[in-house]
Amino acid sequence: TQLLEQSPQFLSIQEGENLTVYCNSSSVFSSLQWYRQEPGEGPVLLVTVVTGGEVKKLKRLTFQFGDARKDSSLHITAAQPGDTGLYLCAGTSGGYQKVTFGIGTKLQVIP
Amino acid sequence: GAGVSQSPSNKVTEKGKDVELRCDPISGHTALYWYRQSLGQGLEFLIYFQGNSAPDKSGLPSDRFSAERTGGSVSTLTIQRTQQEDSAVYLCASSPGTASLSFSYEQYFGPGTRLTVT
Repeated sequence: TQLLEQSPQFLSIQEGENLTVYCNSSSVFSSLQWYRQEPGEGPVLLVTVVTGGEVKKLKRLTFQFGDARKDSSLHITAAQPGDTGLYLCAGTSGGYQKVTFGIGTKLQVIP
Repeated sequence: GAGVSQSPSNKVTEKGKDVELRCDPISGHTALYWYRQSLGQGLEFLIYFQGNSAPDKSGLPSDRFSAERTGGSVSTLTIQRTQQEDSAVYLCASSPGTASLSFSYEQYFGPGTRLTVT
């Protein structure tokens, strides 16, 4: 069974602070996605990383895929209240289309 | 827009009754997934369809749960003899499903159906 562990599970910070959340596994993934979910809505895809060591930036969000493709991180610079939500990582492997989700990191940014 | 839609958005049912939840995926997406999310929790995988076939039903919690997909499009998740522990948000997602492309695994979610069993 492939597992994705996310840390921290809860994070409450002040507006303007930086933060990093982590997604770790003992398994190798061919691709990894990050999603953000707001209350009452379904998760929304933020980014897909495919290559080991890959870094992608989305405005104030920076995503990194580990060299061994077993872990990933999401760094948010100068967090804003609009960043509040549940951040989920999800990994896929091989040709099989089952996607494994982490439990999520619940982020609260206080104005 | 032509996103994933789910109906109903909310369903309140009495314990022991059967319920059907519907998912309309994005047109052309061959893969369809059902998840369950309890309050404050992550996503629990239920079942995955590739076309009309379900190669992975491992996440279905019990034989009271079943799902089908017809015409490679609409899917229905049925819960028979509902129990209070079935209360949760049921999310559906679709993806392009082309196995040769990593981006084919990107999932597009519907807004969910909130099921409450009283």
